[in-house]
Amino acid sequence: DTEVTQTPKHLVMGMTNKKSLKCEQHMGHRAMYWYKQKAKKPPELMFVYSYEKLSINESVPSRFSPECPNSSLLNLHLHALQPEDSALYLCASSPFLAGEGEQYFGPGTRLTVT
Amino acid sequence: AQSVTQLGSHVSVSEGALVLLRCNYSSSVPPYLFWYVQYPNQGLQLLLKYTTGATLVKGINGFEAEFKKSETSFHLTKPSAHMSDAAEYFCAVRRFSGNTPLVFGKGTRLSVIA
Repeated sequence: DTEVTQTPKHLVMGMTNKKSLKCEQHMGHRAMYWYKQKAKKPPELMFVYSYEKLSINESVPSRFSPECPNSSLLNLHLHALQPEDSALYLCASSPFLAGEGEQYFGPGTRLTVT
Repeated sequence: AQSVTQLGSHVSVSEGALVLLRCNYSSSVPPYLFWYVQYPNQGLQLLLKYTTGATLVKGINGFEAEFKKSETSFHLTKPSAHMSDAAEYFCAVRRFSGNTPLVFGKGTRLSVIA
């Protein structure tokens, strides 16, 4: 199984809402990633977890809060978002943070903030 | 720090023609190099990767790329374009050592004309 799953596929939320994005992989990968992708742009790295510990935070605003409950799951908690946070949010995993292993991407969650 | 430059934000080819998407990398240490494809409203799918060994790398869907250290290039080619190849293509680099995630190029949109 080389699949990364993400739920929900689409999410519309108001600026005062709290919501969460979920990502799951069962490949035994020890590194998991959150990316934000705007239209016609490459993915921008947000967070990296390695062995369930936050390894990289690319200066992301605190209204985005990641969580890695176990080695297979990655969540992104959203609170008080702005309209400019509307984007495709991609989750990815790789065997390790270092090394030659490629990243496997999920299909993404299309987020719209109204 | 490593980086990649993709020459041409948009490439248009006729069906059956050669596809050439250009990628140049900058890395102070030997890199790992990747090409990903993204179809509309989907996640990224790995086409191929170069780690060590053979410099001509074959990937999925008939694509291949050649690592040329002297030219710091990793161009993606396909002998004959299909309509289904129309998508966004991203080149990415990762350092050989250290805990570093992928660094993506800005992407090249490939259009295939019937």
